[in-house]
Amino acid sequence: KAGVTQTPRYLIKTRGQQVTLSCSPISGHRSVSWYQQTPGQGLQFLFEYFSETQRNKGNFPGRFSGRQFSNSRSEMNVSTLELGDSALYLCASSLSGGRNYGYTFGSGTRLTVV
Amino acid sequence: TQLLEQSPQFLSIQEGENLTVYCNSSSVFSSLQWYRQEPGEGPVLLVTVVTGGEVKKLKRLTFQFGDARKDSSLHITAAQPGDTGLYLCAGDQGAQKLVFGQGTRLTINP
Repeated sequence: KAGVTQTPRYLIKTRGQQVTLSCSPISGHRSVSWYQQTPGQGLQFLFEYFSETQRNKGNFPGRFSGRQFSNSRSEMNVSTLELGDSALYLCASSLSGGRNYGYTFGSGTRLTVV
Repeated sequence: TQLLEQSPQFLSIQEGENLTVYCNSSSVFSSLQWYRQEPGEGPVLLVTVVTGGEVKKLKRLTFQFGDARKDSSLHITAAQPGDTGLYLCAGDQGAQKLVFGQGTRLTINP
């Protein structure tokens, strides 16, 4: 079966712009989580959605937002981009939350802010 | 403050050797997961351990969850060049949120 699909794979944006990243989970998975990965901070949790509702949010500024659609596809948006937002953004899906069975990650979107 | 401390951060060994990676915390986790990540790709789940004291084996990889569910270890027997990668432990404290360690970058030299 198809894995988690993230688009686009690479993005280059200018400071101050906004960006939208997309994630299509594994068919049947209703939980979608987003993580930011940087060399200095590692992987950090952004937020998690289940059935179009945000169930948990990490410690990121309000410039980071997301949403989930009725088909479980999810988008995250970053407004007023800063240089420090350059990172690999990873999406992970699970049936209902991956406590017992873990998460399936996509290949990520590499965002570069210049 | 890093909730999950992984050690060592870097490890380079020869093919055929054994190794152990540690993941330690002062916090209790409902489950502990191990992932392996290749450059330019997302992490791939290796195992999930849920019960304190649990041991799981995956071919040459052995995973253990501490009795108090605060720590875990990954042991690789007879390492092969294909084992090279970034190994990440991640703790689930509930609320569908994973806390990741900084990772162990493992290199197996032929």
